Amino acid sequence: GQSLEQPSEVTAVEGAIVQINCTYQTSGFYGLSWYQQHDGGAPTFLSYNALDGLEETGRFSSFLSRSDSYGYLLLQELQMKDSASYFCAVRYTGGFKTIFGAGTRLFVKA
Amino acid sequence: DGGITQSPKYLFRKEGQNVTLSCEQNLNHDAMYWYRQDPGQGLRLIYYSQIVNDFQKGDIAEGYSVSREKKESFPLTVTSAQKNPTAFYLCASTSSLGRSGTEAYGYTFGSGTRLTVV
Repeated sequence: GQSLEQPSEVTAVEGAIVQINCTYQTSGFYGLSWYQQHDGGAPTFLSYNALDGLEETGRFSSFLSRSDSYGYLLLQELQMKDSASYFCAVRYTGGFKTIFGAGTRLFVKA
Repeated sequence: DGGITQSPKYLFRKEGQNVTLSCEQNLNHDAMYWYRQDPGQGLRLIYYSQIVNDFQKGDIAEGYSVSREKKESFPLTVTSAQKNPTAFYLCASTSSLGRSGTEAYGYTFGSGTRLTVV
């Protein structure tokens, strides 16, 4: 089947670095995307990896390895405002449906 | 500014009642989607539409209906057949999925409608 697995919760301290992993069971997809969602809010698009390797956008970086069916989101210099849920997502080739992971809730402590 | 507007923000439904959630976008996006989110869970696709007057069922379409009469609008009706409708509903859009580079921009989401059965 098609599924994405993420840890349910991660806790880190302000200023630290945290990595949120995403493993998937599928083949034939366009790439891996990441979204951030604060409580009660809408998801916002963070990053997209079409190819293997690391993509960097400010404090956030995202990585994809198709051979390992694995990706991650890396958040550096954590701030309290980074406390949110983070979702990985893929859209499969041959279709128009995007599958979202269940999300990882990040708690940033002072 | 371009974006997606969902209304109402909060909606209460009585048992056996149909309710309609509004979704309007001014991004000139071709594709629109409805997702349902339950507490602590990811997003599940209800319906999607790639062009006007065409839409497809997602993974959990039972008890829901949609229309796409205009490019800008994609309303979702939660019918009485949906037995557990209490959830957070998110509307989203993307430019044409066949267009190169679309994935790099991701989905644009509305601010959501929280539906509660009373």
